[in-house]
Amino acid sequence: DGGITQSPKYLFRKEGQNVTLSCEQNLNHDAMYWYRQDPGQGLRLIYYSQIVNDFQKGDIAEGYSVSREKKESFPLTVTSAQKNPTAFYLCASSHSNEQFFGPGTRLTVL
Amino acid sequence: GENVEQHPSTLSVQEGDSAVIKCTYSDSASNYFPWYKQELGKRPQLIIDIRSNVGEKKDQRIAVTLNKTAKHFSLHITETQPEDSAVYFCAADKNSGGYQKVTFGTGTKLQVIP
Repeated sequence: DGGITQSPKYLFRKEGQNVTLSCEQNLNHDAMYWYRQDPGQGLRLIYYSQIVNDFQKGDIAEGYSVSREKKESFPLTVTSAQKNPTAFYLCASSHSNEQFFGPGTRLTVL
Repeated sequence: GENVEQHPSTLSVQEGDSAVIKCTYSDSASNYFPWYKQELGKRPQLIIDIRSNVGEKKDQRIAVTLNKTAKHFSLHITETQPEDSAVYFCAADKNSGGYQKVTFGTGTKLQVIP
């Protein structure tokens, strides 16, 4: 389970505020991913990055932004444009095909 | 884009019985099909996977089958144990323009009754 970390574990935000979720990995993986997990909807892909300084929109990118300035880090910003941001967010990294997930951040908008 | 459907959404079995979870995918370019297990409050972890050039793969009590023509694949768990209780996700993975993109199913909550 080690090697990929997310912080914080729980995050509360007021409506209209942007918030950034951290994801760090020391597995030397090139690819990193952000997923949103809602009950009954599985894991939905928000953004993914194959290399530093490059990333692609996933299936539900609206209202989110990312950066990939370092290989180890792939932070996700949830902007005020995201209409329903309360969810569990999972970050993952991979080398070859297997994805290694972080412990997740539960975001609640008050 | 890829669409992965997973059934059933919930499954209850008696300890010792078998459990089968089925998934279908839409994109024939998908070539890698992993299964992840997520225990309550924990992160998903890979339990078995299969590539498109293989029809079946087995690892102890767990097996996966793939039918490329019909675009469906299944997870089979035999001799179920209480510790098998978890949410299971199937996924379809393809290389698109140099990017490995994964699409997950909606998950199956498996309950093994002692």
